[in-house]
Amino acid sequence: NAGVTQTPKFQVLKTGQSMTLQCAQDMNHNSMYWYRQDPGMGLRLIYYSASEGTTDKGEVPNGYNVSRLNKREFSLRLESAAPSQTSVYFCASSPNRASPDTQYFGPGTRLTVL
Amino acid sequence: AQSVTQPDIHITVSEGASLELRCNYSYGATPYLFWYVQSPGQGLQLLLKYFSGDTLVQGIKGFEAEFKRSQSSFNLRKPSVHWSDAAEYFCAVQIVDSGYELNFGKGTSLLVTP
Repeated sequence: NAGVTQTPKFQVLKTGQSMTLQCAQDMNHNSMYWYRQDPGMGLRLIYYSASEGTTDKGEVPNGYNVSRLNKREFSLRLESAAPSQTSVYFCASSPNRASPDTQYFGPGTRLTVL
Repeated sequence: AQSVTQPDIHITVSEGASLELRCNYSYGATPYLFWYVQSPGQGLQLLLKYFSGDTLVQGIKGFEAEFKRSQSSFNLRKPSVHWSDAAEYFCAVQIVDSGYELNFGKGTSLLVTP
């Protein structure tokens, strides 16, 4: 039982390049989330997927797209990376967004955009 | 505005000393409260949570937290800190009004000295 896994762990991009961050969970959770963490800002929600087949914007969605590929996988895409997107990205999952419950986090992807 | 406040950005304690990390929230609805810990270069791990019942909750690694509704607080405590407790600590709140979105404080960085 690996929990929430993310790939890659580290990535360096040049401005304008694109990339996809991958996330998978093996806990049979319905809901999945993407956050970014910046120094002194805590974690901010980028997008979430309440259930398979649905996605919604969070607090800071601009510049990102997501795909809920199936119940296990939720990817985050940067179409044209900008230096402002340099951050640590965390994926999380929870049993059901429609009720209070713990979110379980992956180890993070550290992204630098030059 | 609705928010989660962790007043202390950095805290330094001596190994073996007691610890209290503060968390205040400003939400009108019943909050569901969490403390997460993030070790350097790692993801977030749940320390403890409060949904209802006894307002003093026990967590992992010897941590506890007390919910005080009258003070809108959920402070984290540990009687004797170990060097391995050095990490970033995040308080987070879920409320039904926001669809149980997890709202984070900006974190408190704990340094433990010998």
